[in-house]
Amino acid sequence: EVQLLESGGGLVQPGGSLRLSCAASGFTFGNYALSWVRQTPGKGLEWVSVVYSGDLGPFYADSVKGRFTISRDNSKNTLYLQMTSLRVDDTAVYYCARDRWPNGNYGASFDLWGQGTLVTVSS
Amino acid sequence: DIVMTQSPLSLPVTPGEPASISCRSSQSLLFGTGVHYIDWYLQKPGQSPQLLIYTASNRASGVPDRFSGSGSGTDFTLKISRVEAEDVGVYYCMQTIQPPWTFGQGTKVDIK
Repeated sequence: EVQLLESGGGLVQPGGSLRLSCAASGFTFGNYALSWVRQTPGKGLEWVSVVYSGDLGPFYADSVKGRFTISRDNSKNTLYLQMTSLRVDDTAVYYCARDRWPNGNYGASFDLWGQGTLVTVSS
Repeated sequence: DIVMTQSPLSLPVTPGEPASISCRSSQSLLFGTGVHYIDWYLQKPGQSPQLLIYTASNRASGVPDRFSGSGSGTDFTLKISRVEAEDVGVYYCMQTIQPPWTFGQGTKVDIK
């Protein structure tokens, strides 16, 4: 089955760190760009970061640049998001999403999403 | 950053009737190849978002043909020819022509 499965969410104090994982199955992971998108409870969607299959990027939202790092391990079919210096306004459900274009090198259209993992930043 | 502005933000609809959502970008979404880098997503209650339309006017796999996307430059529209009860949820446009990629605020569609 083609799917993405996020994990690693939880409760963390302001200033703390957390690493999210997104395990992929059912497709050739290394051929696709992957993104993290987050959604504040009851609010809209915010794109966070993208890592391409090739040399382009990665790219980040201004709100997380310098604090979050996206990476991928193609041997483990897993996408990561290392989050440091967490703030209360980072509280959100974090989704990983796949670009529909194999070997895409510009933009992205997310045709596959995970179910999301909740990150709560609170003291 | 490119700002995506949707309207309306709330759209009560009658089943069987058409519906339309507008998305306006602060910069052109036309790339040199002739492709507009704007997509439309639907997030049904309690679910992850799903892709409806990619690159302005192409229906994603499995999306009913009552959904269509159009527009160019900075003005884009998502249309539902005949709304069905299963179409309720929040609709988002998103641009990926220039990082940071940005979503519209979302349009909540519900049944009158």
